[in-house]
Amino acid sequence: DADVTQTPRNRITKTGKRIMLECSQTKGHDRMYWYRQDPGLGLRLIYYSFDVKDINKGEISDGYSVSRQAQAKFSLSLESAIPNQTALYFCATSTDRADTQYFGPGTRLTVL
Amino acid sequence: AQSVTQLGSHVSVSEGALVLLRCNYSSSVPPYLFWYVQYPNQGLQLLLKYTSAATLVKGINGFEAEFKKSETSFHLTKPSAHMSDAAEYFCAVIGGQAGTALIFGKGTTLSVSS
Repeated sequence: DADVTQTPRNRITKTGKRIMLECSQTKGHDRMYWYRQDPGLGLRLIYYSFDVKDINKGEISDGYSVSRQAQAKFSLSLESAIPNQTALYFCATSTDRADTQYFGPGTRLTVL
Repeated sequence: AQSVTQLGSHVSVSEGALVLLRCNYSSSVPPYLFWYVQYPNQGLQLLLKYTSAATLVKGINGFEAEFKKSETSFHLTKPSAHMSDAAEYFCAVIGGQAGTALIFGKGTTLSVSS
């Protein structure tokens, strides 16, 4: 079984809709991250969390919100989706600063 | 602030040829550096990482990278390319907010021809 899972894997939605992307992990890691990948831009950090009560904005948090429901679950929401939020979204986990970050399989989101 | 520059968005090699993917970093503190690979329609997988131990780091699938502080480089190499190496490769450094997130380069797509 995969250690970091993301649901859904693919989603097509319309402008203005609220969307939630979910991430679950069985690695027992405290730190969780949400990244966005755009062609030619690499990955950029949206939000990160050190534990359930510690959530922080990343480089491109505008238009997004997150919820850390438990150590193992970290959800990303788009309150009102817009077309330039069309991208590949990745969740990642790690134990500490210098540790490897382990990535989920990604969610491909298309906003029409 | 930390940053990463990958030279060449696309590299093409023949099967059996040397693979060299270039990465230069900027960091005000001793860096933690990573190479990740992304196969089509998949997530990112760690190839190798540098955390201030040996300057020559060996990774999976025959890849290695050498940390050169004087050149601020962390280039990825493989002596002999295989068709299965075709993928996108990302260099990354730990940095950003609270010094905990990965700062990625823009990626290099490796094509391997027979």
